This record gives sequence, C-alpha cells and structure tokens, in this order.
Amino acid sequence: DQQVKQNSPSLSVQEGRISILNCDYTNSMFDYFLWYKKYPAEGPTFLISISSIKDKNEDGRFTVFLNKSAKHLSLHIVPSQPGDSAVYFCAGNDMRFGAGTRLTVKP
Amino acid sequence: DVKVTQSSRYLVKRTGEKVFLECVQDMDHENMFWYRQDPGLGLRLIYFSYDVKMKEKGDIPEGYSVSREKKERFSLILESASTNQTSMYLCASTLTGQGYNEQFFGPGTRLTVL
Repeated sequence: DQQVKQNSPSLSVQEGRISILNCDYTNSMFDYFLWYKKYPAEGPTFLISISSIKDKNEDGRFTVFLNKSAKHLSLHIVPSQPGDSAVYFCAGNDMRFGAGTRLTVKP
Repeated sequence: DVKVTQSSRYLVKRTGEKVFLECVQDMDHENMFWYRQDPGLGLRLIYFSYDVKMKEKGDIPEGYSVSREKKERFSLILESASTNQTSMYLCASTLTGQGYNEQFFGPGTRLTVL
C-alpha cells in the first residue's frame, strides 16, 4: 500500500502563474519528505526537501509546505516557467515515491 | 558531481531471455536501488542494497533478482523476461547519514520484452 500518494496525475498552468502540486501521506513516522523532478528520457533529480519538524522550506521559486495534522504536503512554484514542465514526484524517507504529477506550463 | 550510469539506454529482449541491467555509481554511496517506472504507477521499488553483498526486497521483487559484488555496482537480473516486465528501469544511489539523503538517479534503461 502506497504511503505517499499524488492524486492529481496532471496539472496545466500559464507561464508566470503559481503551480501547486500536492502529496498526501499515511506514515506519521517519516522524518522528511523530498520532491523530485523528472524530464522525459532522464532520471529524476532532487528538487527540494522538508524535515518533518518544519512546516515550510523555500528554495528560490520552489516552496514546500507541510501540514502534519492533515498529513499533506504541497510544492509551490512561483512564478512557473515553461522549463518547469516535467513530472514531479514526492517521496518519504523510506525511498518510496508517489505516482507523480505531470506539470505543463504554457507560454 | 555524482554520476550514476546504466549500461544501456534501450534494450529489446525476447520472452524467456535472461536479462542483466547494470548500474554503476562513482561517489562511494552505500545504498543503491532499482525502480521501475510505469505510467500511472510512478516509481516502484524493486530491490535495494545498503552494503556489498546485502540486498533487501522492495515492493515488487517478483521475477527479479539482484547482485552487489562491489560497492559501486548494482545489477538487476530478470531470470526469465516476460512481456509485463516491459518498463523503464531506474537505478539510484544515496549516502547513509543523518537528515535527508537525496537519491541520485541514472538516466534509465527502457526495456522492451517481445
């Protein structure tokens, strides 16, 4: 049974607007969460992480929010750029991944 | 830069063949992983290894085995390939330590079993 879930298979946003990608989890024992980005024909690359003791982590245009009571995390990309078009995966520190969300940023 | 390489980008095999997928990392990472990626299912963990000659089953080990004879190399073996093993296979490695440990992935091997 998947312990991290991404329920939105795809998301389309306009360039310059905010992209919000969501992830739900069931295991309260995770120490941290990670987001990865994957382009076609390439392996995933690490994007940003958040410790379970934090509720926010920011790195440039990327911000992760963690809501422990709801067991929910979200990745915000502001402003979105066409180069952000990729599949985004969330993962817990058990090295298991969600199903991914395909983000398309339209010029 | 950490580099994880996989022996082939594309592979076509026939049903029943024995298939070897090789992965090599150059940063002395203790942990190595094999995943497969399928549409709608994301990355699913097949096997992982946290040390030489050690292996642990992931979530979908059936039909696969692994070998880790050297720290830098982790091989995935399909003993008798079947069409449902057609997939993208991704290898990853990571350090052991406190805090988050990001995984470094290879470029993937697209395997087609006919």
